[in-house]
Amino acid sequence: DAGITQSPRHKVTETGTPVTLRCHQTENHRYMYWYRQDPGHGLRLIHYSYGVKDTDKGEVSDGYSVSRSKTEDFLLTLESATSSQTSVYFCAISESGTGFGEQYFGPGTRLTVT
Amino acid sequence: GQQVMQIPQYQHVQEGEDFTTYCNSSTTLSNIQWYKQRPGGHPVFLIQLVKSGEVKKQKRLTFQFGEAKKNSSLHITATQTTDVGTYFCAGRWHNFNKFYFGSGTKLNVKP
Repeated sequence: DAGITQSPRHKVTETGTPVTLRCHQTENHRYMYWYRQDPGHGLRLIHYSYGVKDTDKGEVSDGYSVSRSKTEDFLLTLESATSSQTSVYFCAISESGTGFGEQYFGPGTRLTVT
Repeated sequence: GQQVMQIPQYQHVQEGEDFTTYCNSSTTLSNIQWYKQRPGGHPVFLIQLVKSGEVKKQKRLTFQFGEAKKNSSLHITATQTTDVGTYFCAGRWHNFNKFYFGSGTKLNVKP
């Protein structure tokens, strides 16, 4: 498996609280992605990064922000968590120069918003 | 928005039977990827198809990309219990710099 870790692996939080999920890679890959996985929806892209401080929105970006100050770290922040953000969050990295190559996924973070 | 439709949602087979999952797009794709996710695990890349009519094989798995690059399939011959999991396709269209995942096909194999 590619060197990707996510923290925390599990989190329970209350509605309205801020939450930050961390993705850390040791592969020095340029592209990093945040997805959420919900039953019946597959994987939906939240945000992605194509370099340090270079990020863009995915298909379900509302309510989420990201930051990438170092190549190895990509942070996903829920400014004010809502129950609809209860999900499993996966980080992925890609080594392709155009970002169109295979994606390596982290182990996931299970987030529950009560 | 862009969508990749994947069917069936679930498939239950007896060990040794074949299995196929299909992905369809209403517009021409640039390329398509396939992933497998074991229960409780994370998606793992299987293959990427780029060319019209492309066929690739990995042991008992056969991947096809349609001539019009609007559909793709994954076929597993003689399933084994180790094939259990959810199979996802992920498509990308020209001028889109990200992939869109299908909703997945969950395969259960009875021994």
